[in-house]
Amino acid sequence: AQTVTQSQPEMSVQEAETVTLSCTYDTSENNYYLFWYKQPPSRQMILVIRQEAYKQQNATENRFSVNFQKAAKSFSLKISDSQLGDTAMYFCASSSYNTDKLIFGTGTRLQVFP
Amino acid sequence: EAGVAQSPRYKIIEKRQSVAFWCNPISGHATLYWYQQILGQGPKLLIQFQNNGVVDDSQLPKDRFSAERLKGVDSTLKIQPAKLEDSAVYLCASSFPSKKGPWETQYFGPGTRLLVL
Repeated sequence: AQTVTQSQPEMSVQEAETVTLSCTYDTSENNYYLFWYKQPPSRQMILVIRQEAYKQQNATENRFSVNFQKAAKSFSLKISDSQLGDTAMYFCASSSYNTDKLIFGTGTRLQVFP
Repeated sequence: EAGVAQSPRYKIIEKRQSVAFWCNPISGHATLYWYQQILGQGPKLLIQFQNNGVVDDSQLPKDRFSAERLKGVDSTLKIQPAKLEDSAVYLCASSFPSKKGPWETQYFGPGTRLLVL
């Protein structure tokens, strides 16, 4: 069974600074996907970034990038040039290659201060 | 493009009452998911539909929860009778039908917040 662990319940960062959110996972499968989802206070979950486990290159999406360490089963999210609109809950999630079922962590609440 | 629609947005009921939630996925999305998100936790998949067939309902408490997607488009999730521990946000999501190659993104609705008193 897959599990996802986020050990930081809350994080804060000043506007324009960089912050890293941690995530570790456990899976017995060789092929899988990893995701970071953002859930703003309005509660509509949106995909931030995703990584296919068989790709060694870390995924990037504008100010968002990941540090994928497959051997350590670590998948952290780096947000550069933080903006007030980045304030939200961030969920790390995984799915196996053969199913769309997402397994979520407990989330990290990020507060960006002016 | 319209997003995933859910209603109602909020619902307050007493324990042992019944409640139903509605979801309309993005047009053309054949896969539909219902998640339960308890306060302080990540979403947990309750049931997944592919068109009008159930793909995964392994975590659905079938003694009180039921879901249907009769015409392969919109879906209803019902709880009967409700318990205090059912207080949560119920999220609906949808994705494109076939997965050949890269995995398709799930698009989430705004959720229904249920409070059971």
